[in-house]
Amino acid sequence: DIQMTQSPSTLSASVGDRVTITCRASQSVSVWLAWYQQKPGKAPNLLIYKASSLESGVPSRFSGSGFGTEFTLTISSLQPDDFATYYCQQSNSFPRTFGQGTRVEIK
Amino acid sequence: EVQLVESGGGLVQPGGSLRLSCEASGFTFSDDYMDWVRQAPGKGLEWVGRVRTKADSYSTEYAASVKDRFSISRDDSKNSLYLQMNSLKTEDTAVYYCARAPVGSGFNIWGQGTMVTVSS
Repeated sequence: DIQMTQSPSTLSASVGDRVTITCRASQSVSVWLAWYQQKPGKAPNLLIYKASSLESGVPSRFSGSGFGTEFTLTISSLQPDDFATYYCQQSNSFPRTFGQGTRVEIK
Repeated sequence: EVQLVESGGGLVQPGGSLRLSCEASGFTFSDDYMDWVRQAPGKGLEWVGRVRTKADSYSTEYAASVKDRFSISRDDSKNSLYLQMNSLKTEDTAVYYCARAPVGSGFNIWGQGTMVTVSS
């Protein structure tokens, strides 16, 4: 199984900050990496797919990059609605696996 | 409106069975692979399994933790996805989500989730 490791586990930031979350895969997943945002009590919401493709309707302040084993999710200017937990997920092979999550909290 | 609506969750004793359903609307259900993902209370996301389309013989994939206990199926005539859960364990307690899994994308549509509690 491919293990996905996110860092940091928790991130404290202020509105307007540039935020970067890293996701590392235990083996190459090529470009098959997605990012999700989840708020308490709600289903996850797809932000980025295929490492860097922005899902329709997602604000352009979200961007993704990377290839192989190292990926990043960047929020260019953190907004109040962005305080949530973020997960990466690989779709290169089965079983599909998620990172443990990164909680973005208000500083 | 594009949506997925799960049902069938509840309280079940260890060793028991439960069948979850997921009804799709607003998109061509039969064209897409469909997955189940679960989330234990206070924990992260765990992929459960997939069912492919008729074109791919409705083939399935499962996580090791549920293989041989859980079974995923679909009825395209009813736009519905199912998760049959047998021999349930306390560690299966979670919110279960169905999700649309188009090829080349991530899980781009999620249901609201249904809670399964396995407890005596």
